[in-house]
Amino acid sequence: DGGITQSPKYLFRKEGQNVTLSCEQNLNHDAMYWYRQDPGQGLRLIYYSQIVNDFQKGDIAEGYSVSREKKESFPLTVTSAQKNPTAFYLCASSTPGQGGTEAFFGQGTRLTVV
Amino acid sequence: RKEVEQDPGPFNVPEGATVAFNCTYSNSASQSFFWYRQDCRKEPKLLMSVYSSGNEDGRFTAQLNRASQYISLLIRDSKLSDSATYLCVVNVDYGQNFVFGPGTRLSVLP
Repeated sequence: DGGITQSPKYLFRKEGQNVTLSCEQNLNHDAMYWYRQDPGQGLRLIYYSQIVNDFQKGDIAEGYSVSREKKESFPLTVTSAQKNPTAFYLCASSTPGQGGTEAFFGQGTRLTVV
Repeated sequence: RKEVEQDPGPFNVPEGATVAFNCTYSNSASQSFFWYRQDCRKEPKLLMSVYSSGNEDGRFTAQLNRASQYISLLIRDSKLSDSATYLCVVNVDYGQNFVFGPGTRLSVLP
């Protein structure tokens, strides 16, 4: 079955550590996105990528980094520079184009700083 | 002004009620529009796309007014299972970026 897989589902990080969240899709989608969601809040865009080896900062990119070496994969690293990383992280993918193709989401990673 | 705004909610309605959600967007160049549903602690899932002519899927009806930059979602005969947060989503560049509203929480009560 096609879809987006995020791992791990739950992640605990000590202050000062970098952690990497995995996102893999087998939908053959060109575009991939990372969002952050805080309790009771909407989704905020961290980074997005329209094509392999290219990505752009979203609204809240500070303290995060990404790579897009393969079409299927778009990992997100939460660095120690991110001062408040505890949140629900959602990865999505879509196929850009006219007709209004929607975004498909992974099940999310819940990151907690301990 | 936020790019996408929604009714603040929460909406608490009895089973069988009809409920309407409203959404406004600020970018007149927006190209495509969606309603997503998000259950507690889960990922958002597409409920329906919103077309200029309006569209219906069972108990759900979505409408778009480009002139007023307004989107609506109507749910008829509410079920307990409709309880969730409903997210209005706008896309400006055919997939370049999706902008999410803050969501409106619906609780359908027995």
